[in-house]
Formats: sequence, C-alpha cells, structure tokens
Amino acid sequence: AQSVAQPEDQVNVAEGNPLTVKCTYSVSGNPYLFWYVQYPNRGLQFLLKYITGDNLVKGSYGFEAEFNKSQTSFHLKKPSALVSDSALYFCAVRDKGTGFQKLVFGTGTRLLVSP
Amino acid sequence: NAGVTQTPKFQVLKTGQSMTLQCAQDMNHEYMSWYRQDPGMGLRLIHYSVGAGITDQGEVPNGYNVSRSTTEDFPLRLLSAAPSQTSVYFCASSYFPDRATGELFFGEGSRLTVL
Repeated sequence: AQSVAQPEDQVNVAEGNPLTVKCTYSVSGNPYLFWYVQYPNRGLQFLLKYITGDNLVKGSYGFEAEFNKSQTSFHLKKPSALVSDSALYFCAVRDKGTGFQKLVFGTGTRLLVSP
Repeated sequence: NAGVTQTPKFQVLKTGQSMTLQCAQDMNHEYMSWYRQDPGMGLRLIHYSVGAGITDQGEVPNGYNVSRSTTEDFPLRLLSAAPSQTSVYFCASSYFPDRATGELFFGEGSRLTVL
C-alpha cells in the first residue's frame, strides 16, 4: 500500500531564508510524487511533480523538490522564502501505473514565514 | 476559464437532513473526484468517476452517493447527514483516467457543518 509522511506539522522560517518542507513516501514500485499548496480558504493548487528523469524538479513560485530514491524522500525547497509563501503544503504519492484514485496525500505541513 | 466550481461554499445542516454538494468543471476532464479534508488527516477520497456514467468508491464512501450523468458535473449527495460528516469537501478533476502523470485541479471547497 502507498503511504506518505510529512513529519512536521509546522515549519517556521524568516523571510529571505531558505526553506525545506519534508516528505517521505512508501510505494511498492516506482513513485509519482506531487506537491500541492493550499492558501487560506482556497482549494489545493499544484506546485510540482516528479515522474521520471532528473531528480531535481522545478515548479511554480520558485519552489523545487529533490527526489531521493535511496531515502524515499521528496523534500520541497525554496532558496529564499517570502511572507506570501505562508500556506499549507501537501505531499502526495501514487505508484507508477496506477490511477488518480490511488493518490495518497500526507497530512500537510503549515509553513509560516515571518517578516 | 472557471475551472472547477463548487457550490455552496458554506452549509449548516441538522442531523438527518439531506443535501447535495455541486461540482462542475469546464475543462472537459474525464476524471472527477470528491475528497474530504479533516484536521490532521490530509485529504481522503470519497468517490470518483472516470467518465460519464461511471462511478466508484474511494476510501471513505459511507454516507455519500454520487452520479455522473454528464462530463461536466459530479454532485455529491449526503442522504442523512451526521455530525461525523462535518468537514471541508473538495472536488477535483483531471485529464486521462488511468496511468497518467497529470495533476489534479481542485475547486475552492465547501465547508459543511452538521449539528
């Protein structure tokens, strides 16, 4: 069975500092990995995904994520945080070859960027 | 483009009442789904559809019904509301039902409170 863990309920960072939001996963085969962001009172928005190829994936709003197969991790990163990055971030995973209905979401990590 | 539109945004029900949450998308997506979001639990799949006339159960289907008479619409029905159904509900859609690498497109959510 697929699973994903986001070990931190909240991450605090000062504006201008680098940020990392952690995600580890478990699948039986090869993973499709996704990051979504949820701003207050809004739906989830797609940030980036890893399907195959380069382990460093670049996405929207300057975010990137690094796929590490040996550590089964897909941490979200940004070199310089903005106050506007404050939101709830979800990691999601599904096995390659499975449908959308097999997508499993983490419990979310709240990012708080202070001025 | 309107994307994925959910109505109503807020609803308060009494235990035992019924209601329908509406979801419409104008992107000609084959796949549509309903999730519920509860604190500390991430998103859980209620029901999904891979095309008009085809629906199936997700992780937490009890107490909910769906139908898919058109490609655009995917309503979620609560037949007899219970306090345990107090949650935020999200509709999501995407291209290509199976084995695809695409991401989900989410509506802005419907906050339901059952008293």
